[in-house]
Amino acid sequence: AQKITQTQPGMFVQEKEAVTLDCTYDTSDPSYGLFWYKQPSSGEMIFLIYQGSYDQQNATEGRYSLNFQKARKSANLVISASQLGDSAMYFCAMREASRAGNNRKLIWGLGTSLAVNP
Amino acid sequence: NAGVTQTPKFQVLKTGQSMTLQCAQDMNHEYMSWYRQDPGMGLRLIHYSVGAGITDQGEVPNGYNVSRSTTEDFPLRLLSAAPSQTSVYFCASRVGPNTEAFFGQGTRLTVV
Repeated sequence: AQKITQTQPGMFVQEKEAVTLDCTYDTSDPSYGLFWYKQPSSGEMIFLIYQGSYDQQNATEGRYSLNFQKARKSANLVISASQLGDSAMYFCAMREASRAGNNRKLIWGLGTSLAVNP
Repeated sequence: NAGVTQTPKFQVLKTGQSMTLQCAQDMNHEYMSWYRQDPGMGLRLIHYSVGAGITDQGEVPNGYNVSRSTTEDFPLRLLSAAPSQTSVYFCASRVGPNTEAFFGQGTRLTVV
């Protein structure tokens, strides 16, 4: 079964340092997509970054980058130069494979709570 | 652009009451979904739709109904509220299977 695992329930990082949030996935489909979302204490879900399984390069978006290791089935989020506003829950999600048409749901991990210390 | 508009933001229901959570998007997205978020359980899919007139069940559909008569709207109906349905509900939409989902602001529902 397809699955997303985030093994770090909580993480701490010092302001201005980099932090890596882990995400491993399990799928037998060669075509898949991986997403990271941020959920601050205010509750909204904010899209951060996307990596397709056939993308040749690791995705980057500003201070966010994805350390994509296909053979290990990991898609870790790297946040560089952490800011106080980065304190939030972070969710990894995978587009589900489907044999029937286009019904590809998103499968979600349980999230990692990141606290940035001043 | 409004994006995904979800109402209400907060709601308290008594056990047995019914209500509809509204979700509308103005981005012409085909895919729309309803999730519930409970502490320690991440996001769980209730129902989803891949276009007007097409809906399907997610992993926790019991006690909820949906319909998709237009591309824009995807309401979620609670038929007879139970305390186990106390949760935060999110509506989301996306263009297609390989694109990011845009979320509404969420509805915090309490059933007493």
